[in-house]
Amino acid sequence: DAKTTQPNSMESNEEEPVHLPCNHSTISGTDYIHWYRQLPSQGPEYVIHGLTSNVNNRMASLAIAEDRKSSTLILHRATLRDAAVYYCILTILSGNTPLVFGKGTRLSVIA
Amino acid sequence: DADVTQTPRNRITKTGKRIMLECSQTKGHDRMYWYRQDPGLGLRLIYYSFDVKDINKGEISDGYSVSRQAQAKFSLSLESAIPNQTALYFCATSHGPGSYNEQFFGPGTRLTVL
Repeated sequence: DAKTTQPNSMESNEEEPVHLPCNHSTISGTDYIHWYRQLPSQGPEYVIHGLTSNVNNRMASLAIAEDRKSSTLILHRATLRDAAVYYCILTILSGNTPLVFGKGTRLSVIA
Repeated sequence: DADVTQTPRNRITKTGKRIMLECSQTKGHDRMYWYRQDPGLGLRLIYYSFDVKDINKGEISDGYSVSRQAQAKFSLSLESAIPNQTALYFCATSHGPGSYNEQFFGPGTRLTVL
């Protein structure tokens, strides 16, 4: 399985943008990049996914490098509710491969 | 009402006891999963099922068994609980083939084995 590398932790000030990096140098052509996050005392929840082009939704933006070996999850204005562990995961879009979670990045948001 | 429910939410048991954790979903999804999470670590897959007649081992299936009683129900059993099975357990569901494989997670069951 293609692996991802994320920083263990990051810190952001409230209402500032946050860029969460993910390296995936062994990504294959059929791997989609998924981001999930886990708020304290909750199960993970879907954030965003993409293949090659940058993606935007109501929660975040996903910027994918041209060579697809790295990507960045962008939270445009961090709020205290965004404090969570963020997981970058590679998998086939709707294939028969369950998600494989690494340790993720723990994001702290400072008021 | 929650789409994915887990019972019990908390359980304390003793070494050697048989324990069953239950998961129910009202999302109509074909696929269901069981994960465990240890402090400071990500989720690790225990078992998964793509339909009622399908059961697959995950990364850490030893010491666990599962039963898919119906499309909406997926149970995880610890035949003889041991202390290193103390963890937070999550159930998840997703659609079948042909749609984005977004997973929806339950609230978790905190299991303590003494």
